[in-house]
Amino acid sequence: GIQVEQSPPDLILQEGANSTLRCNFSDSVNNLQWFHQNPWGQLINLFYIPSGTKQNGRLSATTVATERYSLLYISSSQTTDSGVYFCAVEVYGNNRLAFGKGNQVVVIP
Amino acid sequence: DVKVTQSSRYLVKRTGEKVFLECVQDMDHENMFWYRQDPGLGLRLIYFSYDVKMKEKGDIPEGYSVSREKKERFSLILESASTNQTSMYLCASSPRAGSGYQPQHFGDGTRLSIL
Repeated sequence: GIQVEQSPPDLILQEGANSTLRCNFSDSVNNLQWFHQNPWGQLINLFYIPSGTKQNGRLSATTVATERYSLLYISSSQTTDSGVYFCAVEVYGNNRLAFGKGNQVVVIP
Repeated sequence: DVKVTQSSRYLVKRTGEKVFLECVQDMDHENMFWYRQDPGLGLRLIYFSYDVKMKEKGDIPEGYSVSREKKERFSLILESASTNQTSMYLCASSPRAGSGYQPQHFGDGTRLSIL
């Protein structure tokens, strides 16, 4: 099956810093989503981004489908950004998401 | 806004019990999914359903079954619970394939402990 690799696995940030999370995938995909799992375990949709660039406040994401990677940018990080960020991809016609193992982010004040 | 509701946030059961985890969505989505999440392993798909009374095995279906009698409800069943099924269980729903924009939306999860 498709492989999804996220890097770095762990990241500690000073509040106010910027960061980039990366997701590499091994096959062509129909769909790519970024999620944030907060410390209470809730998984929140951040972006649905099979290709191109999107922005939502301090977060933005870029997917380069032809090169099989996606990037999630966090700018001016806040303590509420702490948690695990997951990248998940859907192989075309498959209707199922395959998840990476996540990026654990801790933002310290 | 899409609402996916799981019946329990925390659940404690005993080995050998039959366990039901319930999930309801309010957006008339065709697709529903059950995942389990374990430390270091990310989310793994157990079963999914793309229509009423339809089901497909995911990556780790052993020891589980599912039921989808109504479009809005998708139940995960542990036929005879075992300690290695202690985990966080997450339900999700999405619009049907081919509808273009079809993100999956998740419930808050159920932390299940099998003693």
